[in-house]
Amino acid sequence: NAGVTQTPKFRVLKTGQSMTLLCAQDMNHEYMYWYRQDPGMGLRLIHYSVGEGTTAKGEVPDGYNVSRLKKQNFLLGLESAAPSQTSVYFCASYPSGLAGGNEQFFGPGTRLTVL
Amino acid sequence: AQSVTQPDIHITVSEGASLELRCNYSYGATPYLFWYVQSPGQGLQLLLKYFSGDTLVQGIKGFEAEFKRSQSSFNLRKPSVHWSDAAEYFCAVGATGGSEKLVFGKGTKLTVNP
Repeated sequence: NAGVTQTPKFRVLKTGQSMTLLCAQDMNHEYMYWYRQDPGMGLRLIHYSVGEGTTAKGEVPDGYNVSRLKKQNFLLGLESAAPSQTSVYFCASYPSGLAGGNEQFFGPGTRLTVL
Repeated sequence: AQSVTQPDIHITVSEGASLELRCNYSYGATPYLFWYVQSPGQGLQLLLKYFSGDTLVQGIKGFEAEFKRSQSSFNLRKPSVHWSDAAEYFCAVGATGGSEKLVFGKGTKLTVNP
């Protein structure tokens, strides 16, 4: 049981390049989330998914797209990277809603630098 | 919409001293509250959570937090800080009814002096 994994761990892009970050969980969780963390800003929600085939916008969705074609995977795409997207990206998941007493399980993060 | 305020950006304490990190939340219904800790270059680890019941919640690493509805607060405490507690601490409130998302505070960085 690997929990929540993120690929890659580090990446450097040039402005305008595209890339996809992969989040995978092997816990059969329904809910998955992508956050970005910037100094002094805490974690901010980019996009989330409440089940396979669903996605929704979070607090800071501009410049990002997501897909949840398989229940275990949640992909975050940057179509044309900008320096403002330099950040640490975290993925999280949990099995069902908060009312079940659940907590979010976080991945180790992806550090992205856009030059 | 829910929000979280952590009034202290940076706190410095001496090893062995007591610690209290403040967290105020805004949410219309009964809140689901969390404290996470992040060591430098690491991911987030859950310290404790409050869902209902006893307002004093015990967590890992000797931490506890008290939910005070009248003050909209969920402060984190530890009676005696260890050097290994140096990290950044995040308070979060959960939203039910669909997204089940968490809203995080901006964090409090804790420095521990020997």
